[in-house]
Parts: sequence; C-alpha cells; structure tokens
Amino acid sequence: DQQVKQNSPSLSVQEGRISILNCDYTNSMFDYFLWYKKYPAEGPTFLISISSIKDKNEDGRFTVFLNKSAKHLSLHIVPSQPGDSAVYFCAASSPTGTASKLTFGTGTRLQVTL
Amino acid sequence: KAGVTQTPRYLIKTRGQQVTLSCSPISGHRSVSWYQQTPGQGLQFLFEYFSETQRNKGNFPGRFSGRQFSNSRSEMNVSTLELGDSALYLCASSHLQGETEAFFGQGTRLTVV
Repeated sequence: DQQVKQNSPSLSVQEGRISILNCDYTNSMFDYFLWYKKYPAEGPTFLISISSIKDKNEDGRFTVFLNKSAKHLSLHIVPSQPGDSAVYFCAASSPTGTASKLTFGTGTRLQVTL
Repeated sequence: KAGVTQTPRYLIKTRGQQVTLSCSPISGHRSVSWYQQTPGQGLQFLFEYFSETQRNKGNFPGRFSGRQFSNSRSEMNVSTLELGDSALYLCASSHLQGETEAFFGQGTRLTVV
C-alpha cells in the first residue's frame, strides 16, 4: 500500500519556466512533509518542508503548497534551471517532532532543458 | 561540520553471505535511520535507532537487523543475502527535536550475485 504517491515518474520543463511536482498521500496522520532532491549515486538532499498547520512555505526558488483536505502537496520551482535536473522525492512523517521515519514517494525525474 | 558518512560505498556479495554496513551520523545527531532504495520502489524505511534503541521498524524480514553504539554510529546487517537485496542502502541522521529534516549519507551500493 503506497501511502505517498508521485504519479508522474518524469517531467520535462524548459529553463526559466515553472516546474510543478505533485504528491498525494493517503494517511491522514501525516503531519509533516518534505521534499528531497537526489542525483545519481548520491544520497537525497533536503530541499524544503512544510508542517500541516501551514499551507505554503517558500525558500528562494522553491515553494511547497499543502492542501490538507485534498491530501495533496506540490513543489514549485521558479525559474527552473538546468542544475535542477534530478529525481525529486516527496516524503511524509508523523507524529510532529520526528522526521526519522519517513514514508517516501517513488520519485519524479525532472529534466530541465535549455 | 562533517555530513553523514557511510562505508563502504560499494559492495559485491554472493547469495547466502551476510553483510554489515556502517553509518556515522552528523555530530550531535542521536537518531539514525536506514532506508533501502530499489528501482521502482523508491526509498523504503528499514529501521530507526535512537540512543542505542530501535524505535521504529519497517516491513522487512528478520534477515535485516541493525544496532547503534553509544557514539551514535550505527550498523546494519543483512544475513543470508538474496539477489533481491541488491539495492542502494541509505542512512539518515536527525536531531529529533521539533520539526526537522533528516540528512542522508551517500549510501552503500550493494550488489548480490
């Protein structure tokens, strides 16, 4: 049972445009969500997170939106750059206060083209 | 500040053998979690250790085990290796204080032949 789903295995976006990566979850106990970026042969790198008490969190070019009623979150990257090309994982955890047991989605491979 | 260090980076083992992987967390981090990444499955949680105690366990067979030492370093062991155990094994450490992210090492690529 996949509790965190990333239904788009890949996404291609032109440099300078917006990249939108989506994630859905089924477990209503999840209350903390994270996005990780992963390059081949490296471990995931933390990008941005959001608590369930918020609906938006911004950090530079990265913004995460959370829609609790729809159990949906999205990562917006604006503007997209070639160096953003990587696999992006959405992750969720519960209860609040521990990020040590994360449930990951299967990832979306983002390709930013020139 | 040094990151999470995993050793070895690459490992080739034969079916039926056992293997031990090592993880040194970020200094000051007391929680260590292990994940298995296989193509198409994403990252699957194996277990978490905090203060030398296993706190959470994922849905993996008993062949997968781990431990944590007093200096927070952790090892995971897989016995009676199967071909399907070939994967990237990732270790993550975190503070466990408030809402915080987990920091990952580069992983150990295990190939079982």
